[in-house]
Amino acid sequence: AQSVTQLGSHVSVSEGALVLLRCNYSSSVPPYLFWYVQYPNQGLQLLLKYTSAATLVKGINGFEAEFKKSETSFHLTKPSAHMSDAAEYFCAVTSYSSASKIIFGSGTRLSIRP
Amino acid sequence: EAGVTQFPSHSVIEKGQTVTLRCDPISGHDNLYWYRRVMGKEIKFLLHFVKESKQDESGMPNNRFLAERTGGTYSTLKVQPAELEDSGVYFCASSQDVTSGVPGVTGELFFGEGSRLTVL
Repeated sequence: AQSVTQLGSHVSVSEGALVLLRCNYSSSVPPYLFWYVQYPNQGLQLLLKYTSAATLVKGINGFEAEFKKSETSFHLTKPSAHMSDAAEYFCAVTSYSSASKIIFGSGTRLSIRP
Repeated sequence: EAGVTQFPSHSVIEKGQTVTLRCDPISGHDNLYWYRRVMGKEIKFLLHFVKESKQDESGMPNNRFLAERTGGTYSTLKVQPAELEDSGVYFCASSQDVTSGVPGVTGELFFGEGSRLTVL
């Protein structure tokens, strides 16, 4: 079975500050990992994905995430937060053997303080 | 190109009534998925169509939920009769791959905005 745990349902940072959203996964097989973002009144949009190539993955809008197998983590970071980054972020996992399913975390709402 | 569209965006019904949610995937996408998010919790998989066939329906909560995809184009998800615990946001997603590749890896999943269901 696979699962993801997102630490912190709500994170607030100042504009220009570092964004760090935490995600830990559990998987008995090599995982594929994702970060999705949902802006208000929009569908989920893929930010980035890890598919067993480079462990440091760069995504859209300046976000990146690092796959750390020893820590079973896939934390999302951005060096400098922008007001437009305010949204809800979902970590997700699947695998070759999971066939149809992507397993999502419970989401982290990111707020940006002016 | 139009994205994944879902209708209605919000539905409010009373317990015991029936609701039908519709999803129009991106044209040409053979894979169609339904997910549900209840009360701010995790987004949970419901089922997966490949064209008109149900590839995996292991996430369907119970037999009050019926999903169809006649003709392999749009899909409907009917809840009958609705219960209070069915309230949540129902997301539809589609992807292009014809093969049973890994969702989101072999082809990006495109999500709709969701249909919010409120059961009173």
